[in-house]
Amino acid sequence: GENVEQHPSTLSVQEGDSAVIKCTYSDSASNYFPWYKQELGKGPQLIIDIRSNVGEKKDQRIAVTLNKTAKHFSLHITETQPEDSAVYFCAGLNPVASGAGSYQLTFGKGTKLSVIP
Amino acid sequence: GAVVSQHPSRVICKSGTSVKIECRSLDFQATTMFWYRQFPKKSLMLMATSNEGSKATYEQGVEKDKFLINHASLTLSTLTVTSAHPEDSSFYICSARDHSAPSSYNEQFFGPGTRLTVL
Repeated sequence: GENVEQHPSTLSVQEGDSAVIKCTYSDSASNYFPWYKQELGKGPQLIIDIRSNVGEKKDQRIAVTLNKTAKHFSLHITETQPEDSAVYFCAGLNPVASGAGSYQLTFGKGTKLSVIP
Repeated sequence: GAVVSQHPSRVICKSGTSVKIECRSLDFQATTMFWYRQFPKKSLMLMATSNEGSKATYEQGVEKDKFLINHASLTLSTLTVTSAHPEDSSFYICSARDHSAPSSYNEQFFGPGTRLTVL
């Protein structure tokens, strides 16, 4: 099955600096890579995603890059703000062996980002 | 955007009782819903995949008789924790896939989670 590794587990940055979180995956059949932001006591919220047919996607201060050859993808947050502090999860979407056309998300272990004012 | 709700948001129950958690897709139809469990400071662990009108598919190690899943309609899935024990205390989160989305695009929308505490 799919294995998603995420680094670092914790990250502290000064307000205004950039933050980068990296993930690797094992299943070459994975074709969709979302990033989620989870605040304390809440469910994950999708912040950006990338499909396997593109190498980079940007949405204001957030960008994601994908290297299919190396099987890794990264989240980049620029001009960080205190409200960016949260736990961020990467995930890979991979087909489920038991069901035709079925897919499931495999999550990384999360990165706790702290933005210091 | 697509919204998924969960009810209740928090529940405290006595050991040995059963608890039902509801997951609803509010503005879209979801043929597939997913149930996750999350321990403090840990990642999401998929418990089961729920398909409307059929039996749920459970992940290895998840007891299907303990975690009963029903997906009776395209907008509602329920998770019932039967004979709950303190070790079942956790944060349970559901997600739903938009029925109208192309099958290759499986974007999932997550609910806000349910905090279960078993005394």
